[in-house]
Amino acid sequence: EAGVAQSPRYKIIEKRQSVAFWCNPISGHATLYWYQQILGQGPKLLIQFQNNGVVDDSQLPKDRFSAERLKGVDSTLKIQPAKLEDSAVYLCASSPNGDPFLAKNIQYFGAGTRLSVL
Amino acid sequence: QQPVQSPQAVILREGEDAVINCSSSKALYSVHWYRQKHGEAPVFLMILLKGGEQKGHEKISASFNEKKQQSSLYLTASQLSYSGTYFCGTEGHYGQNFVFGPGTRLSVLP
Repeated sequence: EAGVAQSPRYKIIEKRQSVAFWCNPISGHATLYWYQQILGQGPKLLIQFQNNGVVDDSQLPKDRFSAERLKGVDSTLKIQPAKLEDSAVYLCASSPNGDPFLAKNIQYFGAGTRLSVL
Repeated sequence: QQPVQSPQAVILREGEDAVINCSSSKALYSVHWYRQKHGEAPVFLMILLKGGEQKGHEKISASFNEKKQQSSLYLTASQLSYSGTYFCGTEGHYGQNFVFGPGTRLSVLP
C-alpha cells in the first residue's frame, strides 16, 4: 500500500513570496490533516478535511494560509505572503476512518515539506 | 489546549526502562502515541480510548486514566531503535480537536 505522498520535500523562498504544498493521501482515506511543525515542537494542526469538507480550521491563519481538497482526494496548502515565522516542516496525514467524531483516527503521515523563509 | 508531557527528555542505556507521561486539563476521549525519529514523519504507536485500558505493542505499552486525564507510555528493556521523540495526541470529549503534546526526546545509548 502506497503511503502519503507530499511534494516538494524542500522549499526555500523569500518573505512575502507565495508557496504551495501538495499532498496525496493513502487511497480510500476520508480524513486529511495538514500540520505545521516548528523545530523542537509538536505538530500543530492547521486544518482537517473530511472528504472535501472542512472539519476544523480553527488554527489556520486565514489571512495568509489557504487549503483545499478537491474531489475529496488530493489537497494543496498555500501560503501567501510568507513570513519568516512560517519556516517549518509542513506535514500531511490521512486517516481511514470516515467519521471524524469516532476516536479511532489513526493518522498516517507523509515525509513532510521543509519550508525555509529567508 | 495542548497536553503536557514529562519528562522533556530522557537518556537511557540499552535494556533500561522508561515512562513518559501525558496529562491534559480537559476531559479526554482518547489518547494517541506517536514516535518521530529525527528528520522523519511521526509514526503511530497506539491509541487508548477512555476506560482506563492498557494497550501493548511488543515491549511498549500504555495506560489511560480517564478520571485523571492522564496517560503513560511504558518502554521496557529499551532498544537503540527506541530513540526518537515521543508525542502524545489528545482528542476532546467527542473525538474532536486533536492536539499533539510538545514531545519527549528519548535517547537510548549502547
